[in-house]
Amino acid sequence: SAVISQKPSRDICQRGTSLTIQCQVDSQVTMMFWYRQQPGQSLTLIATANQGSEATYESGFVIDKFPISRPNLTFSTLTVSNMSPEDSSIYLCSARGGRGETQYFGPGTRLLVL
Amino acid sequence: LAKTTQPISMDSYEGQEVNITCSHNNIATNDYITWYQQFPSQGPRFIIQGYKTKVTNEVASLFIPADRKSSTLSLPRVSLSDTAVYYCLVAPNQAGTALIFGKGTTLSVSS
Repeated sequence: SAVISQKPSRDICQRGTSLTIQCQVDSQVTMMFWYRQQPGQSLTLIATANQGSEATYESGFVIDKFPISRPNLTFSTLTVSNMSPEDSSIYLCSARGGRGETQYFGPGTRLLVL
Repeated sequence: LAKTTQPISMDSYEGQEVNITCSHNNIATNDYITWYQQFPSQGPRFIIQGYKTKVTNEVASLFIPADRKSSTLSLPRVSLSDTAVYYCLVAPNQAGTALIFGKGTTLSVSS
């Protein structure tokens, strides 16, 4: 199994600022993903973080708003740029080792934008 | 990806068996059925996965009929700590495929 940690666990930010969320996996994984979960809602996939290349974004999410980095097989960052109150949500990092392996989730980063 | 339909909410009492059924009429041949559990303020946690017939582990059982158009997650003798959201997901078991979550079932267990 993979253990995923995220920093920060929560933050309160002012509109117009940016926040970078870090995700660390305790073992090398093939795939890493970022999700958003708004209060009382299900998880929505933001993007797949690709090592050494640009992330693959889902419909409705763009690189300028959610730049993602993945410099190696165990680490990724998600930046929420130019934040507005609508960005208040929980952001979850997820990872998968390979075919046939379980997809694991981090504890999430709870973001409140004022 | 196959669309899933499951009850929005269920209520139960401690010690009862809980069965949550998920409908996935357009499941593909290479799709697997996976269930996750999510507690408040935590990320989803894998419970069980199956392809057909019955799968059992230390947490739950998963029943899948021959046509695979539905599945039932069975939680034996639930406790208050089983109160959570349960998600049914259907997807091919490929490394490059991210799980897509539906609405989930909120299970409330009372004493």
